[in-house]
Amino acid sequence: QVQLKESGPGLVKPSETLSLTCTVSGFSLTSYHVSWVRQPPGKGLEWMGVIWGDGSTAYNSALKSRLSISRDTSKSQVFLKMSSLKTEDTATYYCAGYYDGTYWFAYWGQGTLVTVSS
Amino acid sequence: DIVMTQTPSSQAVSAGEKVTMSCKSSQSLLYNENKKNYLAWYQQKPGQSPKLLIYWASTRESGVPDRFIGSGSGTDFTLTISSVQAEDLAVYYCQQYYNFPTFGGGTKLELK
Repeated sequence: QVQLKESGPGLVKPSETLSLTCTVSGFSLTSYHVSWVRQPPGKGLEWMGVIWGDGSTAYNSALKSRLSISRDTSKSQVFLKMSSLKTEDTATYYCAGYYDGTYWFAYWGQGTLVTVSS
Repeated sequence: DIVMTQTPSSQAVSAGEKVTMSCKSSQSLLYNENKKNYLAWYQQKPGQSPKLLIYWASTRESGVPDRFIGSGSGTDFTLTISSVQAEDLAVYYCQQYYNFPTFGGGTKLELK
Protein backbone atom coordinates (compact mmCIF):
# COMPACT_ATOMS: atom_id res chain seq x y z
CA GLN A 1 0.00 0.00 0.00
CA VAL A 2 1.49 3.28 -1.14
CA GLN A 3 1.63 5.96 1.53
CA LEU A 4 3.25 9.37 1.82
CA LYS A 5 3.45 11.53 4.92
CA GLU A 6 4.76 15.05 5.27
CA SER A 7 6.38 16.40 8.41
CA GLY A 8 7.96 19.66 9.44
CA PRO A 9 7.51 22.83 11.48
CA GLY A 10 4.09 24.40 11.52
CA LEU A 11 5.46 27.92 11.96
CA VAL A 12 8.41 29.59 10.30
CA LYS A 13 9.56 33.20 10.46
CA PRO A 14 9.87 35.40 7.39
CA SER A 15 13.31 35.26 5.70
CA GLU A 16 14.02 31.86 7.28
CA THR A 17 14.40 28.51 5.48
CA LEU A 18 11.63 25.91 5.45
CA SER A 19 12.60 22.25 5.73
CA LEU A 20 10.00 19.54 5.12
CA THR A 21 10.26 15.77 4.95
CA CYS A 22 8.09 13.36 2.99
CA THR A 23 8.34 9.78 4.26
CA VAL A 24 7.09 7.18 1.82
CA SER A 25 6.17 3.53 2.16
CA GLY A 26 4.93 0.85 -0.17
CA PHE A 27 7.28 1.78 -3.00
CA SER A 28 10.89 2.47 -3.81
CA LEU A 29 12.03 6.03 -4.49
CA THR A 30 14.22 4.72 -7.29
CA SER A 31 11.18 3.72 -9.31
CA TYR A 32 8.72 6.42 -8.29
CA HIS A 33 8.77 10.15 -8.77
CA VAL A 34 7.85 12.50 -5.94
CA SER A 35 6.63 16.04 -6.40
CA TRP A 36 5.86 18.80 -3.91
CA VAL A 37 2.60 20.69 -4.40
CA ARG A 38 1.39 23.54 -2.21
CA GLN A 39 -1.96 25.18 -1.58
CA PRO A 40 -2.40 28.56 0.14
CA PRO A 41 -5.45 28.69 2.44
CA GLY A 42 -8.62 28.85 0.37
CA LYS A 43 -6.72 28.87 -2.91
CA GLY A 44 -5.64 26.49 -5.66
CA LEU A 45 -2.79 24.06 -6.18
CA GLU A 46 0.74 24.99 -7.26
CA TRP A 47 3.33 22.46 -8.40
CA MET A 48 6.68 23.25 -6.84
CA GLY A 49 9.10 20.65 -8.13
CA VAL A 50 9.93 16.99 -8.58
CA ILE A 51 12.64 14.48 -7.81
CA TRP A 52 12.56 11.70 -10.33
CA GLY A 53 13.38 8.06 -9.74
CA ASP A 54 16.88 8.57 -11.13
CA GLY A 55 17.50 11.32 -8.59
CA SER A 56 17.36 14.24 -11.00
CA THR A 57 15.21 17.24 -10.14
CA ALA A 58 13.16 19.94 -11.81
CA TYR A 59 11.58 23.04 -10.32
CA ASN A 60 8.82 25.54 -10.94
CA SER A 61 10.59 28.48 -12.55
CA ALA A 62 8.87 30.87 -10.14
CA LEU A 63 10.43 29.12 -7.15
CA LYS A 64 13.65 27.75 -8.60
CA SER A 65 15.98 30.28 -7.00
CA ARG A 66 14.70 29.43 -3.50
CA LEU A 67 13.90 25.73 -3.76
CA SER A 68 15.84 22.50 -3.36
CA ILE A 69 14.52 18.93 -3.38
CA SER A 70 16.64 15.96 -2.37
CA ARG A 71 16.18 12.46 -1.01
CA ASP A 72 17.60 9.66 1.10
CA THR A 73 16.59 6.41 -0.55
CA SER A 74 17.80 4.31 2.40
CA LYS A 75 15.29 6.09 4.65
CA SER A 76 12.57 6.39 1.97
CA GLN A 77 12.51 10.13 2.53
CA VAL A 78 12.27 13.13 0.23
CA PHE A 79 13.24 16.58 1.46
CA LEU A 80 12.13 20.07 0.52
CA LYS A 81 14.11 23.15 1.44
CA MET A 82 12.87 26.61 0.54
CA SER A 83 14.78 29.71 1.54
CA SER A 84 13.88 33.37 2.09
CA LEU A 85 10.35 32.63 3.17
CA LYS A 86 7.64 35.25 2.81
CA THR A 87 4.19 35.47 4.35
CA GLU A 88 2.72 34.48 0.98
CA ASP A 89 4.47 31.10 1.31
CA THR A 90 1.91 30.21 3.98
CA ALA A 91 0.24 27.09 2.61
CA THR A 92 -0.47 23.43 3.03
CA TYR A 93 2.43 21.53 1.51
CA TYR A 94 1.77 18.14 -0.05
CA CYS A 95 4.09 15.51 -1.40
CA ALA A 96 2.62 13.50 -4.25
CA GLY A 97 3.91 10.35 -5.88
CA TYR A 98 3.57 8.77 -9.27
CA TYR A 99 5.26 5.80 -10.82
CA ASP A 100 7.47 5.78 -13.85
CA GLY A 101 5.56 5.94 -17.11
CA THR A 102 2.73 7.95 -15.59
CA TYR A 103 2.54 11.70 -15.22
CA TRP A 104 -0.44 12.30 -12.97
CA PHE A 105 -0.42 12.43 -9.17
CA ALA A 106 -1.90 9.12 -8.12
CA TYR A 107 -0.81 9.27 -4.49
CA TRP A 108 -0.89 12.20 -2.08
CA GLY A 109 0.23 12.75 1.47
CA GLN A 110 -2.13 14.26 4.01
CA GLY A 111 -0.40 17.63 3.74
CA THR A 112 1.23 19.81 6.37
CA LEU A 113 0.23 23.41 7.05
CA VAL A 114 3.12 25.83 7.23
CA THR A 115 2.47 29.35 8.47
CA VAL A 116 5.04 32.04 7.78
CA SER A 117 4.73 34.70 10.44
CA SER A 118 6.89 36.63 12.84
CA ASP B 1 4.00 27.81 -18.66
CA ILE B 2 0.72 26.34 -19.83
CA VAL B 3 -2.17 28.25 -18.25
CA MET B 4 -5.22 26.23 -17.24
CA THR B 5 -8.55 28.07 -16.93
CA GLN B 6 -11.55 26.45 -15.27
CA THR B 7 -15.14 27.65 -15.47
CA PRO B 8 -17.32 28.20 -13.60
CA SER B 9 -15.43 28.95 -10.39
CA SER B 10 -18.42 27.71 -8.41
CA GLN B 11 -21.70 26.00 -9.19
CA ALA B 12 -24.77 25.27 -7.07
CA VAL B 13 -26.26 21.85 -7.75
CA SER B 14 -29.03 19.56 -6.56
CA ALA B 15 -28.66 15.85 -5.93
CA GLY B 16 -29.38 13.84 -9.05
CA GLU B 17 -28.58 16.72 -11.38
CA LYS B 18 -26.18 16.39 -14.33
CA VAL B 19 -23.21 18.71 -13.94
CA THR B 20 -20.56 19.83 -16.40
CA MET B 21 -17.49 21.92 -15.80
CA SER B 22 -14.93 23.24 -18.25
CA CYS B 23 -11.14 23.34 -18.38
CA LYS B 24 -9.27 25.16 -21.13
CA SER B 25 -5.53 25.15 -21.70
CA SER B 26 -3.44 27.90 -23.28
CA GLN B 27 -1.90 25.40 -25.68
CA SER B 28 -2.83 21.98 -26.99
CA LEU B 29 -2.37 19.06 -24.62
CA LEU B 30 -2.65 16.52 -27.46
CA TYR B 31 0.65 14.76 -28.06
CA ASN B 32 0.62 13.77 -31.72
CA GLU B 33 2.94 10.78 -31.39
CA ASN B 34 0.56 8.81 -29.16
CA LYS B 35 -2.69 10.75 -29.73
CA LYS B 36 -3.13 11.19 -25.98
CA ASN B 37 -4.27 14.30 -24.15
CA TYR B 38 -2.04 15.05 -21.18
CA LEU B 39 -4.77 16.11 -18.76
CA ALA B 40 -5.93 14.87 -15.36
CA TRP B 41 -8.83 15.73 -13.07
CA TYR B 42 -8.81 15.72 -9.26
CA GLN B 43 -11.44 16.03 -6.56
CA GLN B 44 -10.66 17.77 -3.28
CA LYS B 45 -13.06 17.67 -0.34
CA PRO B 46 -12.69 20.10 2.58
CA GLY B 47 -9.73 19.26 4.78
CA GLN B 48 -8.56 16.46 2.49
CA SER B 49 -5.83 15.95 -0.06
CA PRO B 50 -6.72 15.96 -3.75
CA LYS B 51 -7.85 12.63 -5.15
CA LEU B 52 -7.11 11.54 -8.69
CA LEU B 53 -10.28 10.94 -10.72
CA ILE B 54 -9.27 10.85 -14.37
CA TYR B 55 -6.10 10.82 -16.46
CA TRP B 56 -5.43 10.91 -20.20
CA ALA B 57 -8.45 13.25 -20.21
CA SER B 58 -10.97 10.40 -20.13
CA THR B 59 -9.57 7.35 -18.32
CA ARG B 60 -11.12 6.82 -14.90
CA GLU B 61 -8.79 5.90 -12.06
CA SER B 62 -9.54 2.54 -10.50
CA GLY B 63 -12.42 2.75 -8.03
CA VAL B 64 -13.82 6.03 -9.36
CA PRO B 65 -17.59 5.79 -9.97
CA ASP B 66 -18.66 5.74 -13.60
CA ARG B 67 -20.81 8.84 -13.10
CA PHE B 68 -17.55 10.82 -13.49
CA ILE B 69 -16.86 11.28 -17.20
CA GLY B 70 -13.93 13.13 -18.72
CA SER B 71 -13.99 14.31 -22.31
CA GLY B 72 -12.39 16.74 -24.71
CA SER B 73 -9.21 17.11 -26.70
CA GLY B 74 -6.61 19.68 -27.63
CA THR B 75 -7.34 22.74 -25.53
CA ASP B 76 -10.94 22.17 -24.39
CA PHE B 77 -11.89 19.62 -21.78
CA THR B 78 -14.99 18.81 -19.72
CA LEU B 79 -15.68 16.89 -16.55
CA THR B 80 -19.25 15.65 -16.34
CA ILE B 81 -20.93 14.14 -13.31
CA SER B 82 -23.95 12.33 -14.72
CA SER B 83 -26.01 12.36 -11.51
CA VAL B 84 -24.51 14.35 -8.65
CA GLN B 85 -24.48 12.72 -5.22
CA ALA B 86 -24.09 14.52 -1.89
CA GLU B 87 -20.59 13.09 -1.52
CA ASP B 88 -19.53 14.78 -4.76
CA LEU B 89 -19.65 18.25 -3.21
CA ALA B 90 -16.02 19.30 -3.50
CA VAL B 91 -13.59 21.39 -5.53
CA TYR B 92 -12.51 19.90 -8.84
CA TYR B 93 -9.16 20.72 -10.43
CA CYS B 94 -7.79 20.00 -13.86
CA GLN B 95 -4.05 19.59 -14.33
CA GLN B 96 -1.93 19.38 -17.44
CA TYR B 97 1.17 17.22 -17.59
CA TYR B 98 2.20 18.03 -21.17
CA ASN B 99 4.89 20.24 -19.67
CA PHE B 100 5.80 20.78 -16.03
CA PRO B 101 2.48 20.46 -14.22
CA THR B 102 0.06 23.33 -13.84
CA PHE B 103 -3.41 23.29 -12.33
CA GLY B 104 -6.58 25.16 -13.07
CA GLY B 105 -8.11 27.40 -10.44
CA GLY B 106 -10.80 24.88 -9.57
CA THR B 107 -14.57 24.56 -9.76
CA LYS B 108 -16.39 24.34 -6.45
CA LEU B 109 -19.62 22.34 -6.36
CA GLU B 110 -22.02 23.55 -3.71
CA LEU B 111 -25.49 22.47 -2.64
CA LYS B 112 -28.37 24.43 -4.13
